[in-house]
Amino acid sequence: AQKVTQAQTEISVVEKEDVTLDCVYETRDTTYYLFWYKQPPSGELVFLIRRNSFDEQNEISGRYSWNFQKSTSSFNFTITASQVVDSAVYFCALSGKGAGNNRKLIWGLGTSLAVNP
Amino acid sequence: DAGVIQSPRHEVTEMGQEVTLRCKPISGHDYLFWYRQTMMRGLELLIYFNNNVPIDDSGMPEDRFSAKMPNASFSTLKIQPSEPRDSAVYFCASSLEWGARGNTIYFGEGSWLTVV
Repeated sequence: AQKVTQAQTEISVVEKEDVTLDCVYETRDTTYYLFWYKQPPSGELVFLIRRNSFDEQNEISGRYSWNFQKSTSSFNFTITASQVVDSAVYFCALSGKGAGNNRKLIWGLGTSLAVNP
Repeated sequence: DAGVIQSPRHEVTEMGQEVTLRCKPISGHDYLFWYRQTMMRGLELLIYFNNNVPIDDSGMPEDRFSAKMPNASFSTLKIQPSEPRDSAVYFCASSLEWGARGNTIYFGEGSWLTVV
């Protein structure tokens, strides 16, 4: 079965701190995709990144970086020098490549990040 | 480029009334998804379409829920009759073909439904 675990329910940091959001996944697929989405207080779901299982290179986009490690089935998300605008709920999600249920995204329960001034 | 467009953004209705939520996917996307988000259950996939054809509706909670996609640019999610426990945010989303080239799902801004 596929599963995504975001163990941190809530995180609170002070502006300019670095913060890492954890995501651990389970899947039997050899090819799969991992995603991060952001849901700010306004409610929309914003796509941040997609990572293919065969590409373990870490990725950096501005203050955001992602660390994908197949050995530990983790896809962690780090925000460097956090800002108040980063306050949101962040979701990690998993999908497979095959037919049937693998077209569904399996979602974590989300981590609520509060960045305080 | 326009994203996924949903309407209404907010709706308050009385129990027993019919509710219709509307969605326009991103042009050219082959897949359309309807999700529901609640505090208790998180994000749930209700149904998804591929090329306007419903593929998996196993997430539709009851017969009171129905979804249609009459063409590539429009879909509806209908609840009849509505109940207070249907109060949630309903997201429509779309993506290109499900595969290596493009299975990123893009979401609309959501329809916030309150049934009183």
